Amino acid sequence: DGGITQSPKYLFRKEGQNVTLSCEQNLNHDAMYWYRQDPGQGLRLIYYSQIVNDFQKGDIAEGYSVSREKKESFPLTVTSAQKNPTAFYLCASSILDRGGQPQHFGDGTRLSIL
Amino acid sequence: QKEVEQDPGPLSVPEGAIVSLNCTYSNSAFQYFMWYRQYSRKGPELLMYTYSSGNKEDGRFTAQVDKSSKYISLFIRDSQPSDSATYLCASQKNTGNQFYFGTGTSLTVIP
Repeated sequence: DGGITQSPKYLFRKEGQNVTLSCEQNLNHDAMYWYRQDPGQGLRLIYYSQIVNDFQKGDIAEGYSVSREKKESFPLTVTSAQKNPTAFYLCASSILDRGGQPQHFGDGTRLSIL
Repeated sequence: QKEVEQDPGPLSVPEGAIVSLNCTYSNSAFQYFMWYRQYSRKGPELLMYTYSSGNKEDGRFTAQVDKSSKYISLFIRDSQPSDSATYLCASQKNTGNQFYFGTGTSLTVIP
């Protein structure tokens, strides 16, 4: 069954702690994305990657970091520099094309502050 | 101005009603349009995907794009309680893979 797996489903962060959210896909998609979803604000792009070992900042990259060492994996680290990390985090992937390939999403990780 | 605007609702309808969900966009470079359904505590699920202007039908769902007015619509016929969710519209340019999302409309279908 092809899809995107995000783990954990729920995550708690202490003050000053870095936490890493996992995203794995077996769709053989080239492009992967991280979004943050807050009530009333829709999806905001944090980072995206179109190829292994390369990634670009999105609209709200401050306080976050990513890596893309394998095509199927795109973990997101929420650093202690992110002062308001409580949100629902969504990972997505898509075929890389000139245009016209929709994104597919995982089921998200809900991050809260202890 | 946001690239894609969507009325957040909430929208509440009786079972069996026809639902109309709408978005507007500002960038004439957008060529691809999507509708996603998101249940509570879940990721968005792709419902409809269209290119340029016109209609696309899939069962009870019809997606409509009017590029002249920059208007995107999703119609749900014979709405069911299981349609209760947040619906997100999204747009994409012809080149590149950046997507632009609306804020979502919350729909409740009352049995």
